[in-house]
Amino acid sequence: DQQVKQNSPSLSVQEGRISILNCDYTNSMFDYFLWYKKYPAEGPTFLISISSIKDKNEDGRFTVFLNKSAKHLSLHIVPSQPGDSAVYFCAAHEAGTYKYIFGTGTRLKVLA
Amino acid sequence: SAVISQKPSRDICQRGTSLTIQCQVDSQVTMMFWYRQQPGQSLTLIATANQGSEATYESGFVIDKFPISRPNLTFSTLTVSNMSPEDSSIYLCSVGDNTEAFFGQGTRLTVV
Repeated sequence: DQQVKQNSPSLSVQEGRISILNCDYTNSMFDYFLWYKKYPAEGPTFLISISSIKDKNEDGRFTVFLNKSAKHLSLHIVPSQPGDSAVYFCAAHEAGTYKYIFGTGTRLKVLA
Repeated sequence: SAVISQKPSRDICQRGTSLTIQCQVDSQVTMMFWYRQQPGQSLTLIATANQGSEATYESGFVIDKFPISRPNLTFSTLTVSNMSPEDSSIYLCSVGDNTEAFFGQGTRLTVV
């Protein structure tokens, strides 16, 4: 049973446009959500996070939106750049533990 | 943030052999985590390693298969024992807390 789902395995976007990556979860005990970017042959790099008590967090070109009632979060990248091409993982932290549950990732390709 | 170094970055091993992966952190941390990412899958937590005590393994992972050492607050090793092709994965070391997690670059293991 996958508690964190990224239903789109891949996404292509034109440079300069908005990239929207989606993530759904099932566990109400998650208290923090994080997005990671992963290039080939590198470990995941932390991008942005959001607490479950907020609905939006913004950091430069990256904004994460959380809809708790829908158990859905999304990462918006605007404007998208070719260097953003990578695999993006959504992760959820389980309250009271040190455990993170990861989605399967979405491969973003930004076309020049 | 933390800088995490993993060795080796990749290896090709014969089935039935064992491989030990090293993880070095640039600061003292209480907990270190080992993850596995099988091809096309999400990152899955193998175990949590505390200094001075036995590692805590997640469901589906056992100490005999994945023995872990944690001799001090900046270092840990994960051994993949008696390897089979199904163990071909990326293994990642991680440190963090309940709001953020940092990862090493990973060890890409191929078992032939």
